[in-house]
Amino acid sequence: QKEVEQNSGPLSVPEGAIASLNCTYSDRVSQSFFWYRQYSGKSPELIMSIYSNGDKEDGRFTAQLNKASQYVSLLIRDSQPSDSATYLCAVNLFSGGYNKLIFGAGTRLAVHP
Amino acid sequence: GAGVSQSPSNKVTEKGKDVELRCDPISGHTALYWYRQSLGQGLEFLIYFQGNSAPDKSGLPSDRFSAERTGGSVSTLTIQRTQQEDSAVYLCASSRLFHEQFFGPGTRLTVL
Repeated sequence: QKEVEQNSGPLSVPEGAIASLNCTYSDRVSQSFFWYRQYSGKSPELIMSIYSNGDKEDGRFTAQLNKASQYVSLLIRDSQPSDSATYLCAVNLFSGGYNKLIFGAGTRLAVHP
Repeated sequence: GAGVSQSPSNKVTEKGKDVELRCDPISGHTALYWYRQSLGQGLEFLIYFQGNSAPDKSGLPSDRFSAERTGGSVSTLTIQRTQQEDSAVYLCASSRLFHEQFFGPGTRLTVL
């Protein structure tokens, strides 16, 4: 089992809809969770971080964390074509005496007009 | 600037040549990471620095790859005797200890 798993997509949603991106992780003791957005040809950009169970909202983005079920999700409301990108889930894992960020392979989101 | 910087932005080299890639982290960030991303692929972890030491080199794909960090700041990733399969974007990220990572713009390496 991969440490961080995401559906590779593409996830296709119409403009204005809610895009729901999901991520599961294997390490029960992970405490920090991040979502990065990566446009084609660009480097990953941090868009959300979440540390406790529940929802965290930032503008059109909502991150949801459920540690008991070991999943974290990202909702994008009122999706825009400019949201089309690959979304990377990242989970902190303390391993080998240090803190390591494990990335999922990413979900490609396509928002069509 | 306040972000992570990397140089060069693009590097084209011939097979068998050595290359050096540079990363300048955000000031005050003690942790520094190198990743590799091939076209259409996910992030491949290469090496992690805490200060000047590298507690995790597990991702380096072969002994042709090495990295160092001096003064707890700038890091250099060196690839010796480059091969065509080394062609990729090399990304550097930095963070404060146990915090989120911030990425540089990357160096696109092309080995002919």
